[in-house]
Amino acid sequence: DQQVKQNSPSLSVQEGRISILNCDYTNSMFDYFLWYKKYPAEGPTFLISISSIKDKNEDGRFTVFLNKSAKHLSLHIVPSQPGDSAVYFCAASESASKLTFGTGTRLQVTL
Amino acid sequence: NAGVTQTPKFRVLKTGQSMTLLCAQDMNHEYMYWYRQDPGMGLRLIHYSVGEGTTAKGEVPDGYNVSRLKKQNFLLGLESAAPSQTSVYFCASTPLYGTQETQYFGPGTRLLVL
Repeated sequence: DQQVKQNSPSLSVQEGRISILNCDYTNSMFDYFLWYKKYPAEGPTFLISISSIKDKNEDGRFTVFLNKSAKHLSLHIVPSQPGDSAVYFCAASESASKLTFGTGTRLQVTL
Repeated sequence: NAGVTQTPKFRVLKTGQSMTLLCAQDMNHEYMYWYRQDPGMGLRLIHYSVGEGTTAKGEVPDGYNVSRLKKQNFLLGLESAAPSQTSVYFCASTPLYGTQETQYFGPGTRLLVL
């Protein structure tokens, strides 16, 4: 049973526009959420996170929004750049030692 | 400071063969993890360790064994490889008192079981 879901396997956005990646979860015990970015032939790298006590966290061009009542989070990238083309994984945690990952969304930023 | 390294980078096995994947980290991290990544399945936790000499099962542990004899190393073993174990395997580590965001990943090992 997939506790963290990313329903869009791929997304294509023009350079300079906003990219919005979505993630849904079912486990109400999750209290910390993260986004990881993965380039081909590399391991995932941490991008941005949010605690369940917040509804928004911003870091430069990246903003994560959390809607606890809907069990939904989203990652906004503004403006999108070609170097943002990668696979993005949503992850959630209910303890400090384990993460549950979503299936990933492949973002392609076109010129 | 190499971070998290994995060997080998790529391996082809025949069904029934055994092998060991090695993960090493030089950051003195307490926690270490093995994940597998499959198309449409994301990253799934196989086994993890919260310290030297300890191991625990993750989401998909069947067919795998692990050992953490030294703090810096976490070994993943396949005793009798099956085609269903064809995947990309990632190791990760995190410090004892770090937040969840400080999970550092290795570059991955691509395994093909024929």
